[in-house]
Amino acid sequence: QKEVEQDPGPLSVPEGAIVSLNCTYSNSAFQYFMWYRQYSRKGPELLMYTYSSGNKEDGRFTAQVDKSSKYISLFIRDSQPSDSATYLCAMSDVYDKVIFGPGTSLSVIP
Amino acid sequence: DAGITQSPRHKVTETGTPVTLRCHQTENHRYMYWYRQDPGHGLRLIHYSYGVKDTDKGEVSDGYSVSRSKTEDFLLTLESATSSQTSVYFCAIGGETDRFSYEQYFGPGTRLTVT
Repeated sequence: QKEVEQDPGPLSVPEGAIVSLNCTYSNSAFQYFMWYRQYSRKGPELLMYTYSSGNKEDGRFTAQVDKSSKYISLFIRDSQPSDSATYLCAMSDVYDKVIFGPGTSLSVIP
Repeated sequence: DAGITQSPRHKVTETGTPVTLRCHQTENHRYMYWYRQDPGHGLRLIHYSYGVKDTDKGEVSDGYSVSRSKTEDFLLTLESATSSQTSVYFCAIGGETDRFSYEQYFGPGTRLTVT
């Protein structure tokens, strides 16, 4: 079992839809939970991070962490064509390396 | 790309040839990382550096070596390239305080093909 699992998609939604992206993990020591966005042929960029459990909102994006279920989510409201990208979840404990999920490819259709 | 450049951006090489990829930063970050990205595997850490001449292995370090003689430059060398090393290679820089900062800034990537 991989440490971090993520449905690779591709996920295709109409513009304006609510998008839900998810990851599961196995290491209960993870404390930091991140979402990176990667446009085609570009490097990943940090979108949001959450420390421990709970929700965090930034504009149209909401990150959610459920440590009891070892499950994290990223919600995108009012999705736009410019949101079309691959979304990588990532996580780490306080002292160790960052582990990335394989990414979910998202297409928002105008 | 947060003051990070990678060179070359694309390279095709033959099996058994040595290859060196360069990462250059203008942000003066202490930590630098080399990742490879492959379909189905995501980003996997090859090596990282926590200062000049201070480096350590990551998850997939076999067949790779690194060097950091200046704060701004981190080199990744494939001593004898193999087809399994065909990949996209990303350099990243991280925070000053955490050993593995959750906030990493990535370069544009180098697309390497080994024939």
